Amino acid sequence: DGGITQSPKYLFRKEGQNVTLSCEQNLNHDAMYWYRQDPGQGLRLIYYSQIVNDFQKGDIAEGYSVSREKKESFPLTVTSAQKNPTAFYLCASSLGTRGQETQYFGPGTRLLVL
Amino acid sequence: KNEVEQSPQNLTAQEGEFITINCSYSVGISALHWLQQHPGGGIVSLFMLSSGKKKHGRLIATINIQEKHSSLHITASHPRDSAVYICAVLPFNYQLIWGAGTKLIIKP
Repeated sequence: DGGITQSPKYLFRKEGQNVTLSCEQNLNHDAMYWYRQDPGQGLRLIYYSQIVNDFQKGDIAEGYSVSREKKESFPLTVTSAQKNPTAFYLCASSLGTRGQETQYFGPGTRLLVL
Repeated sequence: KNEVEQSPQNLTAQEGEFITINCSYSVGISALHWLQQHPGGGIVSLFMLSSGKKKHGRLIATINIQEKHSSLHITASHPRDSAVYICAVLPFNYQLIWGAGTKLIIKP
């Protein structure tokens, strides 16, 4: 079945540690996105990618990094520079990035700081 | 003031009631999305609107571009409709702006 997978479902980070969240899609979509969701707030865009080997910063990119070496994969690294990483992270994909295409979301990863 | 405001923030209703969730926005847009987030966190797209009205099953979405307002209606609500409903608008720079969501609980 086509879809987006994210792993792990829960992730714990220690002080000073980098952690990587996985996002894979088999929908053959060109565009992929990472969002952060905090309680009571709307989704906030961290990074997005329109094509392999290219990505753009979103509204809250500081403390995060991404790569897009393969069309189907868009991993997100939460670095030690991100001082408040506890949140729910959602990955999405769409055919294009013009915003009028449906975005398909993964199940999310909840990141907690120890 | 947020560019996208949803109301109410929380809504509890009895099974069978007619539900209305509102979304108001302050920027010019080319389209508006309604999405549903299940208690486990997964999000699914319900509608994309640029004018008028769309219907899918018991869900109806309307938009008034001049008044910068959209509504999502649920007829004959059921406990399985309990979720967070999110509105997102698409300005002409193609960067979606997301509302904070409306948490809906339908009691049996």
